[in-house]
Amino acid sequence: DTAVSQTPKYLVTQMGNDKSIKCEQNLGHDTMYWYKQDSKKFLKIMFSYNNKELIINETVPNRFSPKSPDKAHLNLHINSLELGDSAVYFCASSQALHSNQPQHFGDGTRLSIL
Amino acid sequence: QQQVKQSPQSLIVQKGGISIINCAYENTAFDYFPWYQQFPGKGPALLIAIRPDVSEKKEGRFTISFNKSAKQFSLHIMDSQPGDSATYFCAASIGETSGSRLTFGEGTQLTVNP
Repeated sequence: DTAVSQTPKYLVTQMGNDKSIKCEQNLGHDTMYWYKQDSKKFLKIMFSYNNKELIINETVPNRFSPKSPDKAHLNLHINSLELGDSAVYFCASSQALHSNQPQHFGDGTRLSIL
Repeated sequence: QQQVKQSPQSLIVQKGGISIINCAYENTAFDYFPWYQQFPGKGPALLIAIRPDVSEKKEGRFTISFNKSAKQFSLHIMDSQPGDSATYFCAASIGETSGSRLTFGEGTQLTVNP
């Protein structure tokens, strides 16, 4: 069973389009995250949610809008896609909102903007 | 502002050798220091983690050494194997109030030659 699953795995689209990435975790965790990994493999947090409440919004353009319909899901919607949005986006989850809780990552969604 | 600096960027080791990756941090409020391992096409996976009240933690062939006064920590992989070839990330986070925000180092591409 996949603990943290993301769909789609690959997303190729034109500049200016709107797209969504879905994430689901079956670990029963309370906290979920979105990270962006750029072409140099640098990982940076974008958002975190705890029990469906937004906790971290890391100065991400407001074209990015996360939505958490329930504790097990955290989706990412991106409006007006730009070339610089090309990256791998990772969803992660942890049991609770504490620094010593391991974060479990999905396998990523590779977004390519043409 | 890069709060966690990692070196080297890439590392080549012979099978059976010791791999050493170093990280330095700036923020003394960090209280959790995990290492993540990432294989191509996969998400990062927690390898081992340490709290600042401990100077060393060992799990199998993997050891974290932590120097609080120097604000440095390192990962040692003993008896390195070709299967250890991956990208390794150090990270740091601050307690509950920051929402378990993981700040990652830049990553080290480890290659273990047979």
